[in-house]
Amino acid sequence: EAGVAQSPRYKIIEKRQSVAFWCNPISGHATLYWYQQILGQGPKLLIQFQNNGVVDDSQLPKDRFSAERLKGVDSTLKIQPAKLEDSAVYLCASSFLQGAGELFFGEGSRLTVL
Amino acid sequence: AQSVTQLGSHVSVSEGALVLLRCNYSSSVPPYLFWYVQYPNQGLQLLLKYTSAATLVKGINGFEAEFKKSETSFHLTKPSAHMSDAAEYFCAVSAKTSGSRLTFGEGTQLTVNP
Repeated sequence: EAGVAQSPRYKIIEKRQSVAFWCNPISGHATLYWYQQILGQGPKLLIQFQNNGVVDDSQLPKDRFSAERLKGVDSTLKIQPAKLEDSAVYLCASSFLQGAGELFFGEGSRLTVL
Repeated sequence: AQSVTQLGSHVSVSEGALVLLRCNYSSSVPPYLFWYVQYPNQGLQLLLKYTSAATLVKGINGFEAEFKKSETSFHLTKPSAHMSDAAEYFCAVSAKTSGSRLTFGEGTQLTVNP
């Protein structure tokens, strides 16, 4: 079974530029999550989708971050414009069930903002 | 709201020694509790989870954790450390409600010395 796919693995940009990350979840997983993991910290949920609807985006900085999951399968997370403090690993995860279901994580996309 | 506190950002043990990683949680409703492991440059992988069945939960790679409601704890243990156990470990909590957010602790870096 294929795991959660993310791209690109690494990205370096200047502040105020834009960047987009892509995620393809495990086939059949209705729930998709984007987490931000700053160096030395635990992952923090940015947004959670159930199929193509947003379940929780309370911690997404909506002035600069956006995410979509138009067909209920793959998803894109965009940052525009980027700030220095956005340097982090962006982890995508998917699960078959919400709540007690196990989350399956991709390898992450590491963003460095200079 | 739910939160977890991991006591000790770094733990060092000798190969063959007991591993004990501490996690305390706070939750206004009955929680689900999880331990995830993260190897360098990889995503997170589920070690074990507590979802209100047995309070002693066994996971992969010889790890186990015990849910203690009176102490609001969910400590992770392994009787004998192996070099391959060196990684970062995250405790996480969610509420027993559909769509509940999974909240992670700050992580504990485990070093295993030969």
